[in-house]
Amino acid sequence: QSALTQPASVSGSPGQSITISCTGTSSDVGGYNYVSWYQQHPGKAPKLMIYDVSNRPSGVSNRFSGSKSGNTASLTISGLQAEDEADYYCSSYTSSSPWVFGGGTKLTVL
Amino acid sequence: EVQLVESGGVVVQPGGSLRLSCAASGFTFDDYTMHWVRQAPGKGLEWVSLISWDGGSTYYADSVKGRFTISRDNSKNSLYLQMNSLRTEDTALYYCAKDRVLDYWGQGTLVTVSS
Repeated sequence: QSALTQPASVSGSPGQSITISCTGTSSDVGGYNYVSWYQQHPGKAPKLMIYDVSNRPSGVSNRFSGSKSGNTASLTISGLQAEDEADYYCSSYTSSSPWVFGGGTKLTVL
Repeated sequence: EVQLVESGGVVVQPGGSLRLSCAASGFTFDDYTMHWVRQAPGKGLEWVSLISWDGGSTYYADSVKGRFTISRDNSKNSLYLQMNSLRTEDTALYYCAKDRVLDYWGQGTLVTVSS
């Protein structure tokens, strides 16, 4: 059960847009539309931001959006705000084990 | 309001056993799949196990298969994780989470495996 591949860090200035990638295989990201994204602030529990590739739970800002192409899923945050600084994790259903997470990406708002 | 409250985390010696609990409220517990996810200190999230709404199906990460057992008591709105043959690498904050998409998480309970 290899973890999905995410960049270790990304950064952006307030108001800009950033994209975090999540690369897997045809056995996980590419094979199912069951990719989710979670935001985790230091010392806090993760929070669901996107599920099933591109769906936003109620209460999540529409500045957050998700997409997928082939074996790579992406989380885009537009109009970057200071409060968006956090760790972000992707996850996917897999054929070998129900769920796998990415290694996480630290977002820094400059 | 959905609430998930984990408990049972302690310091335990390698080879020891422990049972974690997760008390659920604010939703119809027996309608939902439930998960355990862990996070080692300073590390990322690792999916551990899931159980179907009725307890009839369970799944485990390879790293815990054969050592951990997930269960639930729908009459008590509670989820459990029995952890046996604990290793130092099992040291982590253990979260329970609700539903296939893990839409709500508890605050976690810390398990430390150390001699």
